[in-house]
Amino acid sequence: NAGVMQNPRHLVRRRGQEARLRCSPMKGHSHVYWYRQLPEEGLKFMVYLQKENIIDESGMPKERFSAEFPKEGPSILRIQQVVRGDSAAYFCASSPGRGSIWTGELFFGEGSRLTVL
Amino acid sequence: AQKVTQAQTEISVVEKEDVTLDCVYETRDTTYYLFWYKQPPSGELVFLIRRNSFDEQNEISGRYSWNFQKSTSSFNFTITASQVVDSAVYFCALRIQGAQKLVFGQGTRLTINP
Repeated sequence: NAGVMQNPRHLVRRRGQEARLRCSPMKGHSHVYWYRQLPEEGLKFMVYLQKENIIDESGMPKERFSAEFPKEGPSILRIQQVVRGDSAAYFCASSPGRGSIWTGELFFGEGSRLTVL
Repeated sequence: AQKVTQAQTEISVVEKEDVTLDCVYETRDTTYYLFWYKQPPSGELVFLIRRNSFDEQNEISGRYSWNFQKSTSSFNFTITASQVVDSAVYFCALRIQGAQKLVFGQGTRLTINP
């Protein structure tokens, strides 16, 4: 499967624990985006990364949330000291970015559903 | 700032009926791209269509059609002869030229009843 891979698909954490969500972009894609979907709501942009660089983190909460996309390995969205309000589906998307033949759409993974007890 | 509004939160129709999902967008940019995505009950997001701001031609793909009207800033999506498998949440999204991220509407939950 050459699509965007996210894991885990489902994650349960207790308040105060840490959650780590991983995303491997499509083969050949160097741009990664994280979106959050709260229950019964649309997708909200969180952060846009290229390899080893955060390009736009305007949608990231100021505290407890961080993201990285290292030179090797998947992109990681990390949520420290989770609270019940963090319960949501977190979607990763990828694109080939500029300079490539790109029709503009983002390719999404199946999402990681975080439940905070 | 960009904004996408999908005023219909939920729509429920009987199979074989036609249904139109509305999408209104706001942007000051002259070059932009509009998208529709489908989110079936399984949860993944499936790309349906992209339209750029210079192309106002309507598009038809099987039972799906899209009506883009710059004059009303709308990009509506019609499903003809709906089927139960069309049941999903549908999202409209906007990306401006030079930006990488998509701005999504709130989504419309479409239920097709047998």
